[in-house]
Amino acid sequence: NAGVTQTPKFRVLKTGQSMTLLCAQDMNHEYMYWYRQDPGMGLRLIHYSVGEGTTAKGEVPDGYNVSRLKKQNFLLGLESAAPSQTSVYFCASGLAGVNEQFFGPGTRLTVL
Amino acid sequence: GEDVEQSLFLSVREGDSSVINCTYTDSSSTYLYWYKQEPGAGLQLLTYIFSNMDMKQDQRLTVLLNKKDKHLSLRIADTQTGDSAIYFCAESSMNRDDKIIFGKGTRLHILP
Repeated sequence: NAGVTQTPKFRVLKTGQSMTLLCAQDMNHEYMYWYRQDPGMGLRLIHYSVGEGTTAKGEVPDGYNVSRLKKQNFLLGLESAAPSQTSVYFCASGLAGVNEQFFGPGTRLTVL
Repeated sequence: GEDVEQSLFLSVREGDSSVINCTYTDSSSTYLYWYKQEPGAGLQLLTYIFSNMDMKQDQRLTVLLNKKDKHLSLRIADTQTGDSAIYFCAESSMNRDDKIIFGKGTRLHILP
């Protein structure tokens, strides 16, 4: 089992460029999440999904879009990147109830 | 909105016990968690406690929950250099689709 994988691991964008971060999990989890981690801010939830074909906004959704077309994949899109989106992005998956979330290794994104 | 607070830093001598404290605001919390993040990695669940329990022990880890004061603590006995990491307190509630709210993390530094 690979667990939760994220691609790419690192990326540098220019302001205004777009990109998609891919998260994949092989544990058949219903729930998937995208977080960003910034110094002194902890983890903040961007968007989440409680099942294939569903998405919902988290705490900081502006500037991001997501899609969950397949149960095992959760995509995070930045349509027009801004320097404020420089961060480390973590994907996680889990089950309902005792919500143990399994985290990917992170994507470090820099927007110049 | 709901919040989880914890101190940002803790220094402990190797072999001593570490105690990391956390407070939260949501009285409807169902589960409370401690996650560990090592450098360059995602978060990993260390332990969790159901809200109707007041203590849980797992090898070197002891979790204490004071539901009345909304206070959670994590005690690590015989702290080792491998325990050096960031520890996140977190809580979830069925009232919020089981979404987890994380604290900002406590960086544990081990002194030789």
